Amino acid sequence: DTEVTQTPKHLVMGMTNKKSLKCEQHMGHRAMYWYKQKAKKPPELMFVYSYEKLSINESVPSRFSPECPNSSLLNLHLHALQPEDSALYLCASSQVKAGVSYEQYFGPGTRLTVT
Amino acid sequence: AQRVTQPEKLLSVFKGAPVELKCNYSYSGSPELFWYVQYSRQRLQLLLRHISRESIKGFTADLNKGETSFHLKKPFAQEEDSAMYYCALSGGSNYKLTFGKGTLLTVNP
Repeated sequence: DTEVTQTPKHLVMGMTNKKSLKCEQHMGHRAMYWYKQKAKKPPELMFVYSYEKLSINESVPSRFSPECPNSSLLNLHLHALQPEDSALYLCASSQVKAGVSYEQYFGPGTRLTVT
Repeated sequence: AQRVTQPEKLLSVFKGAPVELKCNYSYSGSPELFWYVQYSRQRLQLLLRHISRESIKGFTADLNKGETSFHLKKPFAQEEDSAMYYCALSGGSNYKLTFGKGTLLTVNP
């Protein structure tokens, strides 16, 4: 399996809702990433997990809460979001070896709309 | 600090014409450079990485450390090459991938 999968594909939530985005990969990659992408803009890094530990948090508001339950799964818990958080949320994964970065493989994304 | 510059937001060429998408970077160490492509309604996917020095879909890119550039080239553009292209840089051990702002390539018939 050489793909990163994400569920759901689309999500509409109100500002008081709590929801979660899920990401899964079975390539044995030990680094996993969350990105936010606005229309016609590059992805913006949010979080990096390396060996299931949070290694980078790009000053993301606490209404976004990542979780890495095991080496294949990555979740992003959402609570009290704002309309400006509407975007495509991308998950990615990559190999890790002696601190060297390898190419990242991206999932198809979850299109989030906050109403 | 890592920085990637793609000077052209939009690039339009005719089918069969050569195409070059420019990418310049700023990084103090030895960078890993990548080109990613995002076709309409498809996921972001890796096109090339400088270490592999291979040609994918007719595209090539050479790392020029003197000019800190990693331009993407194809001698004869095809309509199916129309997409958003992102140059990206990874440096050091922080796993962080820094993207340029992207170039939207349109290949006209």
